[in-house]
Amino acid sequence: DTGVSQDPRHKITKRGQNVTFRCDPISEHNRLYWYRQTLGQGPEFLTYFQNEAQLEKSRLLSDRFSAERPKGSFSTLEIQRTEQGDSAMYLCASSLDPGVYEQYFGPGTRLTVT
Amino acid sequence: GQSLEQPSEVTAVEGAIVQINCTYQTSGFYGLSWYQQHDGGAPTFLSYNALDGLEETGRFSSFLSRSDSYGYLLLQELQMKDSASYFCAVRGDSNYQLIWGAGTKLIIKP
Repeated sequence: DTGVSQDPRHKITKRGQNVTFRCDPISEHNRLYWYRQTLGQGPEFLTYFQNEAQLEKSRLLSDRFSAERPKGSFSTLEIQRTEQGDSAMYLCASSLDPGVYEQYFGPGTRLTVT
Repeated sequence: GQSLEQPSEVTAVEGAIVQINCTYQTSGFYGLSWYQQHDGGAPTFLSYNALDGLEETGRFSSFLSRSDSYGYLLLQELQMKDSASYFCAVRGDSNYQLIWGAGTKLIIKP
């Protein structure tokens, strides 16, 4: 049974650079979520895909963030012109319909912007 | 909007029982989830309560009182491996997002 995987696990980048993260959900899960988590806080919702459609995006999410899920399988999250405030753990989760409550998380990508 | 409150830290002794509380404010309530996260790890789903009462899963139980906007996670026969952060979460304004509390760090002493 393959769980949710994310790549890379760690990314160090300089301010102003673009970065892209990948998430491979559990194969039969049609729902995919991206979160950001900083130390001592709960995950913060970023965006949601149902199959290939991006149905929700956090109102707090900067225009520098974009996400895709081509063909409803893996997803990518891109951050353009990174800022130091983007340093965080980026988590991907997947679930089956109809449940938003029971999500399965990947190990995360830790981003450090210097 | 939604907000959740949890204690930031709880300390307990190995073998004991501990309760982690969560109070919430939501514009519409559909259920309360609990997750466990070890340091450096990913959140792991523990339980979900949509109706009032106690749900038991092994050593872990979760309780919900919708009239009090309150729930708790009960951990019995504590083991050192239970040292982790525990998060409660509720559905947001849409059916697609969870809103999470800041988490409770559980410290277990031998």
